[in-house]
Parts: sequence; structure tokens; C-alpha cells
Amino acid sequence: IAGITQAPTSQILAAGRRMTLRCTQDMRHNAMYWYRQDLGLGLRLIHYSNTAGTTGKGEVPDGYSVSRANTDDFPLTLASAVPSQTSVYFCASSFVGGELFFGEGSRLTVL
Amino acid sequence: KQEVTQIPAALSVPEGENLVLNCSFTDSAIYNLQWFRQDPGKGLTSLLLIQSSQREQTSGRLNASLDKSSGRSTLYIAASQPGDSATYLCAVHNNNDMRFGAGTRLTVKP
Repeated sequence: IAGITQAPTSQILAAGRRMTLRCTQDMRHNAMYWYRQDLGLGLRLIHYSNTAGTTGKGEVPDGYSVSRANTDDFPLTLASAVPSQTSVYFCASSFVGGELFFGEGSRLTVL
Repeated sequence: KQEVTQIPAALSVPEGENLVLNCSFTDSAIYNLQWFRQDPGKGLTSLLLIQSSQREQTSGRLNASLDKSSGRSTLYIAASQPGDSATYLCAVHNNNDMRFGAGTRLTVKP
């Protein structure tokens, strides 16, 4: 089934640890995005990539990094996790300017 | 900075009723507007995408309209069903950014 796969689905992490959330899409979309969703704050864009080899900062990029080595994969890394990064993280993809599709999310708890 | 507002925040209706969800945005220079539904603990499911040059889109019992000049979009749901219960979000696509509203939590009572 075509779509977006995120891993892990859920993770509990100690503060200060490094964590990479994985995202893979098989729709050949050129654009990919990472959002976080927090109660009362809604969905906020962390980083995006319009094509392989390029990335850009969204609304809340601090503490996160991304890479886009190929079309399909867009991992999100927390270099040193902090409790304020406890959230649900969603990966999304689209053709540039087109319909946005979401993964099922990764629930991260930082203690 | 684009601001997206959805009213009401929550809505409860009896089964069979027609209803309208509202979305407003501050910057009319948009590429497109998209409506999603989100079930608890799940990801977002795309419902309708309206390009900036379009006025409305329809899919089954759903109809979305777009008025760029006034910064408004509506999602009309006809003959609501309990399975329509979910949170509905609108998102506005500007340059390299898609801003989301906080959503409307819809409950359809049998």
C-alpha cells in the first residue's frame, strides 16, 4: 500500500539522548515535511525539503536537524533531547504545491 | 505571518443534520487550502484540496468552498453520520509553509 511510513510509532527517551525519527514515502513526492502536534498549539512545521539534497527551516526548527539524501527518506534527528520535545511528530509529503499526505505519527516522550 | 482560525472549536449535532465548519486566514496570497480529518491517536487524512484558482471542491457528502479575497473557507458536511465524528483541520499553503488551524472537534450523536 502506497503511503508514508514512520518509525518508531512510540518511544520513551531520557533527556540528553540522541534520537532519530524515520520517515519513508513511496509516492515519489519531491517535498517532505516534519510537523509536531501539541495540545493547544496545533501542528507546527519543524523542517521541510522541496527536493532531495535541500532542506529548509520551518516555524520551530531549534533542537532538530534533518537530511534528505534521496527522494524517499527524510529522517528527523534530535541531537540532545529535552522534555519540551515531548510531542507527537508527523511526517508528510507532497508534490510541491500539491496535496499533502501524512504518516500515522511518532509519539515521543522525553523524561 | 499567516494565521489560520477555525470556528467553532467544538460542535455536537444529531445524526442526519447538515453542518458547516469555518476556516479563516489572514494572508490571501495562498497556493491552496486543504481540509483534513483526524481521528484520536491517528494521523491526518486528506479530505479536499482547493487550489487558489478554484472556488470549491466536492467529494461525496463533503463540499469545500474558498473565498480568497475575504480569507475564508467552509467545509459543508451533508447528512452527518456518527462516523463523521473527528477533528477537522484546515491548512493554508503559502510559500514553503503550510499553516494549520487548531481544528473543530465534531461529534455526531446517533
